[in-house]
Amino acid sequence: DVKVTQSSRYLVKRTGEKVFLECVQDMDHENMFWYRQDPGLGLRLIYFSYDVKMKEKGDIPEGYSVSREKKERFSLILESASTNQTSMYLCASSLPGFGHGELFFGEGSRLTVL
Amino acid sequence: QKEVEQNSGPLSVPEGAIASLNCTYSDRVSQSFFWYRQYSGKSPELIMSIYSNGDKEDGRFTAQLNKASQYVSLLIRDSQPSDSATYLCAVSNAGNMLTFGGGTRLMVKP
Repeated sequence: DVKVTQSSRYLVKRTGEKVFLECVQDMDHENMFWYRQDPGLGLRLIYFSYDVKMKEKGDIPEGYSVSREKKERFSLILESASTNQTSMYLCASSLPGFGHGELFFGEGSRLTVL
Repeated sequence: QKEVEQNSGPLSVPEGAIASLNCTYSDRVSQSFFWYRQYSGKSPELIMSIYSNGDKEDGRFTAQLNKASQYVSLLIRDSQPSDSATYLCAVSNAGNMLTFGGGTRLMVKP
């Protein structure tokens, strides 16, 4: 069974802390994505990666960075967390090419920044 | 600004009825279209993808695409209470960037 695993389901952090959100997929997918989902704003793309060591900015990259050292792992980093980064963070993966929009999502990481 | 628009709902239908969910998009060069279902507190899951004009059926679900009118719809036949969820429309353009609509909340009443 295909699986995208996010390391933490719930996190509570303080303003200014560095936050790491880890995502691992076991489907050998080239593409990996980080979204955030907020009520009324829907799903917004933060960063994505089509290959190891490669990253591209999405629609809202400010305040975030990513790392992809291995094909199966894509990490989202908040260098200095702020309250407006309180959100549900969703990692996803997909195959390249025409079916790239067929995303497999992880369970999500709900981050609260106090 | 490339947009994907959905009525937020809630759309309420009785059990056994047909639920019709609609989505319009603004980018004429959009190529691929997807429907995701998201239960409350869960992550989205893909239920249908459609790439060419016309209908695509999968069990109780039918996706309909009309590129000339720039809309895509999802029909759910014999709706069940377990179909109650938020349905997200997603559209990708020639650059393979995926844009999500805000979702339509469906409520199926027993």
